Amino acid sequence: RKEVEQDPGPFNVPEGATVAFNCTYSNSASQSFFWYRQDCRKEPKLLMSVYSSGNEDGRFTAQLNRASQYISLLIRDSKLSDSATYLCVVNRAGGYNKLIFGAGTRLAVHP
Amino acid sequence: EAGVAQSPRYKIIEKRQSVAFWCNPISGHATLYWYQQILGQGPKLLIQFQNNGVVDDSQLPKDRFSAERLKGVDSTLKIQPAKLEDSAVYLCASTPRRGLVEETQYFGPGTRLLVL
Repeated sequence: RKEVEQDPGPFNVPEGATVAFNCTYSNSASQSFFWYRQDCRKEPKLLMSVYSSGNEDGRFTAQLNRASQYISLLIRDSKLSDSATYLCVVNRAGGYNKLIFGAGTRLAVHP
Repeated sequence: EAGVAQSPRYKIIEKRQSVAFWCNPISGHATLYWYQQILGQGPKLLIQFQNNGVVDDSQLPKDRFSAERLKGVDSTLKIQPAKLEDSAVYLCASTPRRGLVEETQYFGPGTRLLVL
């Protein structure tokens, strides 16, 4: 079983749609959680951290459920510029910053 | 502030040849990482340096891969000899201090390797 699992997609949605991505992780001792965005042929960039209380950044909302070991990302009012691969990332416990990446979910927003 | 620099951006070699990649992290960043990203997968950590010491190289195929960061600044990753399955993007990342869990990792543009 992979340590971080995501639906690979692709998710094809029209502009203005709401889309949700899900992710599960297997190591219950994982300490911190993130969503990274990766554009085609580019490097990953941090989109947002994910906190137990849930957090929002504009059109993006991230949720964490530690009991279920489940992370989600909700994008509201999708824009063409949101088209990218969204990587669910977990920081392995142990103190050092060791990121474990999911394979990513591809989003394509069309006019 | 300049970002993480990597070179070359692209490399095509034949199997059994050798190849080296170079990374210059953000100025002052103590921790440096090398990742391998195979097409359709997320990045996988190969090796992590804290200054010029290795913190984690548990997933580095040491029979063919080597890396060094001699002066605690830039780093090189070498593959010798290359195999077809080494075709991937090699990403370098850095963080400011000890690589603690709360620090954001900043990635370079990567080197795309194709092994024929």
